[in-house]
Amino acid sequence: LAKTTQPISMDSYEGQEVNITCSHNNIATNDYITWYQQFPSQGPRFIIQGYKTKVTNEVASLFIPADRKSSTLSLPRVSLSDTAVYYCLVGGRTGFQKLVFGTGTRLLVSP
Amino acid sequence: EAGVTQFPSHSVIEKGQTVTLRCDPISGHDNLYWYRRVMGKEIKFLLHFVKESKQDESGMPNNRFLAERTGGTYSTLKVQPAELEDSGVYFCASSQEGLAFVSTGELFFGEGSRLTVL
Repeated sequence: LAKTTQPISMDSYEGQEVNITCSHNNIATNDYITWYQQFPSQGPRFIIQGYKTKVTNEVASLFIPADRKSSTLSLPRVSLSDTAVYYCLVGGRTGFQKLVFGTGTRLLVSP
Repeated sequence: EAGVTQFPSHSVIEKGQTVTLRCDPISGHDNLYWYRRVMGKEIKFLLHFVKESKQDESGMPNNRFLAERTGGTYSTLKVQPAELEDSGVYFCASSQEGLAFVSTGELFFGEGSRLTVL
């Protein structure tokens, strides 16, 4: 499973756009990129998944360049409630998954 | 629809005692996973059930840990005897994907069971 590298922490203010970049230089051809969010005392929660180019849902956007060696999670107009740890994971989409969580990025949103 | 539920939310036991954690997956989810985060470390995979069968238990730390999923519904994770290093948060997750089904890659996690071994 490909290893990921992301910033340990980020700070932002309410209303700003936040972009969290993840490096995954050894991503395999059949690997997908998945982001999870975790609040204190809760389990991780799926945010978004993509393979290439851009994916957007009601929560976030995921930008993946052509070489797929990195990806950027974009959170538009963050609020205080977006303060959480964000995990970037890379792995197969089909069959049985064994998610590999890294250290994650701790996002702190201030008023 | 109910999410993944775990019980107890917090358990405090002494070294050498036994603890059993329970996980009820989302109804209809054949796949059930156990993960844990020990103090200061990353969330690590423990094992994976498909229905009642253990598909992958490569993450189980040692034979003091026993997971079961009788009937393919809820699962239990027993730690016997518990050691200090077993302290942490144990997460359960479930999903719908299977061998022939291309899933969204989404695992649904419970809130976790915090285990404190004194």
